[in-house]
Amino acid sequence: KAGVTQTPRYLIKTRGQQVTLSCSPISGHRSVSWYQQTPGQGLQFLFEYFSETQRNKGNFPGRFSGRQFSNSRSEMNVSTLELGDSALYLCASSLGSGPYEQYFGPGTRLTVT
Amino acid sequence: AQSVSQHNHHVILSEAASLELGCNYSYGGTVNLFWYVQYPGQHLQLLLKYFSGDPLVKGIKGFEAEFIKSKFSFNLRKPSVQWSDTAEYFCAVIPRDNYGQNFVFGPGTRLSVLP
Repeated sequence: KAGVTQTPRYLIKTRGQQVTLSCSPISGHRSVSWYQQTPGQGLQFLFEYFSETQRNKGNFPGRFSGRQFSNSRSEMNVSTLELGDSALYLCASSLGSGPYEQYFGPGTRLTVT
Repeated sequence: AQSVSQHNHHVILSEAASLELGCNYSYGGTVNLFWYVQYPGQHLQLLLKYFSGDPLVKGIKGFEAEFIKSKFSFNLRKPSVQWSDTAEYFCAVIPRDNYGQNFVFGPGTRLSVLP
């Protein structure tokens, strides 16, 4: 079974730009969650999508948004990038119902200059 | 809102030493519990999980964890660590009635094993 894939793996952007990250979950998984990982803050939950609907949202500004497509692939968008958005963005895939665990992708390393 | 704390920020051990990493959560209801590991340069991997039943769960690579409900704890143990166990370890919780809830991760414990 193929794992969770994320593209791109590395990204360098300038302040004020916007960025779109992509995540392909494990086949059969309907839930995709996004996290921001930084050395000081650990894993911070951004949002979760289940069957194309945002099911849960963390405490991030509206500049962070996402969506999920009918094939469960998900995208995350960050507009008006700030230096503090530099982080590793992780995608986690799961069944999304019943007792379940999450499986993580390798992440996208975003650097904002 | 639920939260997860991990007792140690950085643990340094010699090979063959025993390991115990603490994890406590705050949530009044029933929870599912997890330990994840992130080896240097690699993605987060599931070490073990607890859903129900025997509170002592065994995971991969010789790790085990014990759920103590009365203490809201889920400590990770390994009797004898190896240099290859050097990694960051994260405890995570999600309420059992988890529709609409999200996973909450602890801040992580960095383990350094000296050869």
